[in-house]
Amino acid sequence: QKEVEQDPGPLSVPEGAIVSLNCTYSNSAFQYFMWYRQYSRKGPELLMYTYSSGNKEDGRFTAQVDKSSKYISLFIRDSQPSDSATYLCAMIPRGMTTDSWGKLQFGAGTQVVVTP
Amino acid sequence: GAVVSQHPSWVICKSGTSVKIECRSLDFQATTMFWYRQFPKQSLMLMATSNEGSKATYEQGVEKDKFLINHASLTLSTLTVTSAHPEDSSFYICSADPPGSYEQYFGPGTRLTVT
Repeated sequence: QKEVEQDPGPLSVPEGAIVSLNCTYSNSAFQYFMWYRQYSRKGPELLMYTYSSGNKEDGRFTAQVDKSSKYISLFIRDSQPSDSATYLCAMIPRGMTTDSWGKLQFGAGTQVVVTP
Repeated sequence: GAVVSQHPSWVICKSGTSVKIECRSLDFQATTMFWYRQFPKQSLMLMATSNEGSKATYEQGVEKDKFLINHASLTLSTLTVTSAHPEDSSFYICSADPPGSYEQYFGPGTRLTVT
């Protein structure tokens, strides 16, 4: 079983709809959570970073963390065709050792297609 | 957000030659940088952790002698693919996190094609 599970999609939504993405994880030590957007043949771009349960909002993006359920979500409101990309969740555990310092655990990535 | 650059963005080389990829943190110092490899339609695979002033730490299955990493300064890490073969063709991406932060910022990536 992978430590981080993410549905690869593709997820197709009409323009203006809310995009809902999520990841589940099995390691309760994960403490820091990130969402990245990656366009084809580009490096991942950090969208959201959070380290506590609850919601965090930034513009059209809302990140949710539920540590009790080991579940994180990303919502994109008023989706645009330019939001079409692959979205990756990533997380880092607390109590990192020298060998594990800073190593992100990624989900598989969800491909999102926003149709005009 | 912090900015990480990579050079070149795309390189084509012949089989048997070596190619160097640079990763720079432009507006912060990074004692640690990470090198990833990504195949089409797959997630990122961590290759190694680059530590300024010391040897890199490689992930299991990554050939140390083939993928040479040098973290010469607090803003520059290089990945050299030695004696490249067509199967080394891939998308290579680096990342770094600013001091005191767990947020990692990625470079734009380098596409390597070995003919």
